[in-house]
Amino acid sequence: NAGVTQTPKFQVLKTGQSMTLQCAQDMNHNSMYWYRQDPGMGLRLIYYSASEGTTDKGEVPNGYNVSRLNKREFSLRLESAAPSQTSVYFCASTLLVAGNNEQFFGPGTRLTVL
Amino acid sequence: AQSVTQLDSHVSVSEGTPVLLRCNYSSSYSPSLFWYVQHPNKGLQLLLKYTSAATLVKGINGFEAEFKKSETSFHLTKPSAHMSDAAEYFCVVSDLNTDKLIFGTGTRLQVFP
Repeated sequence: NAGVTQTPKFQVLKTGQSMTLQCAQDMNHNSMYWYRQDPGMGLRLIYYSASEGTTDKGEVPNGYNVSRLNKREFSLRLESAAPSQTSVYFCASTLLVAGNNEQFFGPGTRLTVL
Repeated sequence: AQSVTQLDSHVSVSEGTPVLLRCNYSSSYSPSLFWYVQHPNKGLQLLLKYTSAATLVKGINGFEAEFKKSETSFHLTKPSAHMSDAAEYFCVVSDLNTDKLIFGTGTRLQVFP
């Protein structure tokens, strides 16, 4: 099992450009998440999807959109990138059952917006 | 609402000495608590988790943490630090029946030879 995979690993954008970050999991998990990590701030939730066909905003959703394409895949789109979106982005997934909400993380995408 | 506070942003120890990374939480419900580790330029890996079973939780690589409800703490310890323990550590709290995790701001552990 590959676990949670993310593409690309690195990306540099100019202000105003758009891009989509891809995430896939092969663990048959129902819930998937997108976080951003900034120095001194831990991880903050951007969007999440509790199941296929549903998405909800997290703590910092402005400037982002998501698509839960199927049970395996959850993508994050930046329509018009801004320097404030320079960050490391992590995708995670979990099989949410009673008493177990451990999340498994991908390796991250380092995004720089110039 | 849940929250978590990591009391030290940086901790430095010598190899072979004990490690203590401090975490306090706030939760209105019975919490589940986690420690995750992030090595440089890597993703996050689960070290250990508490989900209302034994209060002393053992994790990977010799780490353990004790859930103390009276002190609302979940400190991470290791008896003897190794150079490979140098990383950033995140304390995380979640309500037991939801899937949202609240992350602390992280503690960077440095290990000197």
